[in-house]
Amino acid sequence: KAGVTQTPRYLIKTRGQQVTLSCSPISGHRSVSWYQQTPGQGLQFLFEYFSETQRNKGNFPGRFSGRQFSNSRSEMNVSTLELGDSALYLCASSLLTSGGLSSYEQYFGPGTRLTVT
Amino acid sequence: EDKVVQSPLSLVVHEGDTVTLNCSYEVTNFRSLLWYKQEKKAPTFLFMLTSSGIEKKSGRLSSILDKKELSSILNITATQTGDSAIYLCAAYNQGGKLIFGQGTELSVKP
Repeated sequence: KAGVTQTPRYLIKTRGQQVTLSCSPISGHRSVSWYQQTPGQGLQFLFEYFSETQRNKGNFPGRFSGRQFSNSRSEMNVSTLELGDSALYLCASSLLTSGGLSSYEQYFGPGTRLTVT
Repeated sequence: EDKVVQSPLSLVVHEGDTVTLNCSYEVTNFRSLLWYKQEKKAPTFLFMLTSSGIEKKSGRLSSILDKKELSSILNITATQTGDSAIYLCAAYNQGGKLIFGQGTELSVKP
């Protein structure tokens, strides 16, 4: 079974631009979560999508947004890029959404390394 | 605010040593705890722990959850250079948000 795939793998943008990252989950997985990883802050949760709906949101500004399509593929958009947005953006998929009494392991993609200059 | 704290932050051992990595959590309505291994790429899933006191084992790696102490440990026996990585601990809160610790960087010297 193919793993989680993310495109592009590397991206260089300048301040003020916007960027769209893409994530294809493991086949059959319906939940997609996005994380930002930086050396100083570690892995921080951005948001989770399940059945095309945002289920959970982390503490990031509104410049960070996302969506999920009917085939469970997800995109993440960052507008008006800032230098501090330089990071590894990881996407993770799980079979279903966790919460309440149910927990599901998340499987990560290889990430998109975004550099903002 | 929900948080997960790992210790030590970094560790250097020699091949063959046994190591214990610690994770403590303060999470609203805790549901489960996950361990991941991250080399120079995406985190790889190791274990998910939901019940207290039940050890999960995979080869030389094992992990156990202590809900009374709000903590978990990850043990690696007979370490190898290939075990060098960052080990991440994460906890689910009831809302289904996965909160990550800062990681323990393990370096295994030959």
